[in-house]
Amino acid sequence: DTGVSQDPRHKITKRGQNVTFRCDPISEHNRLYWYRQTLGQGPEFLTYFQNEAQLEKSRLLSDRFSAERPKGSFSTLEIQRTEQGDSAMYLCASSRGGFGNTIYFGEGSWLTVV
Amino acid sequence: GIQVEQSPPDLILQEGANSTLRCNFSDSVNNLQWFHQNPWGQLINLFYIPSGTKQNGRLSATTVATERYSLLYISSSQTTDSGVYFCAVSDTGTASKLTFGTGTRLQVTL
Repeated sequence: DTGVSQDPRHKITKRGQNVTFRCDPISEHNRLYWYRQTLGQGPEFLTYFQNEAQLEKSRLLSDRFSAERPKGSFSTLEIQRTEQGDSAMYLCASSRGGFGNTIYFGEGSWLTVV
Repeated sequence: GIQVEQSPPDLILQEGANSTLRCNFSDSVNNLQWFHQNPWGQLINLFYIPSGTKQNGRLSATTVATERYSLLYISSSQTTDSGVYFCAVSDTGTASKLTFGTGTRLQVTL
C-alpha cells in the first residue's frame, strides 16, 4: 500500500494555458475522487469514478474541466484555458466501494495561475 | 445540500491540554468522517463514525446522529496534533460525495 500519489505536486501556469494533473489511487480501490481546496476552506467535491465510470460531477466542474479514468486505474484532471480563480489545491482520494469505507487522500497538487 | 458547521474555528492549546471539537450538520447523514490536515496539506482520515463512539489512542469521537452533531476529543495534546481538523458528511453510506466543514485550526504550543 503506497498510498494515493499525485503529480505534479506544484504547478505554476499562465492564464489561458491548459494544465493536467494525474492521480494514482491505492491499487485495490475502485473508487476515485477529485476535490478542490482553496485557502481557509474545506475541500469541495468535484467528481468521482467507480472503476472507469464517472458517476457524479459537481456543478463546480465547469466545461473547462474534464476528468478521466480510462482503465479504471489512474485518473487525470485537465483544466483548459486556466483562470486565476482556478488557483487552488486539487486533491485526489480513493476508497473501496460500498458502505463504511475509509477514504484516503493524496498530498494534493497545488495550482497557481498567474 | 447538507450544511456542516464546525466550532471553534481556531484553538490554541498548551501541550498536554485536552480539547473538544464540535461538528453540527443540517440533515440526516449516513457517513461522517473526521480528518486531520497537517501543515503540509496532507489529509489523514481519523475516524469513520456515522454514529456511536470510537477511540484511537489519545483521540476519540462521538456522533449523536439523532441530534445531528459529532464531537472529536483530543487528550494530552502534542505539538504534532497541530493542523486543521475537518468534519465531512454524506447522506449516502459511501464516501461518494463528502461535504466538508470549514474546519477547526488547532495550534499546540510548548
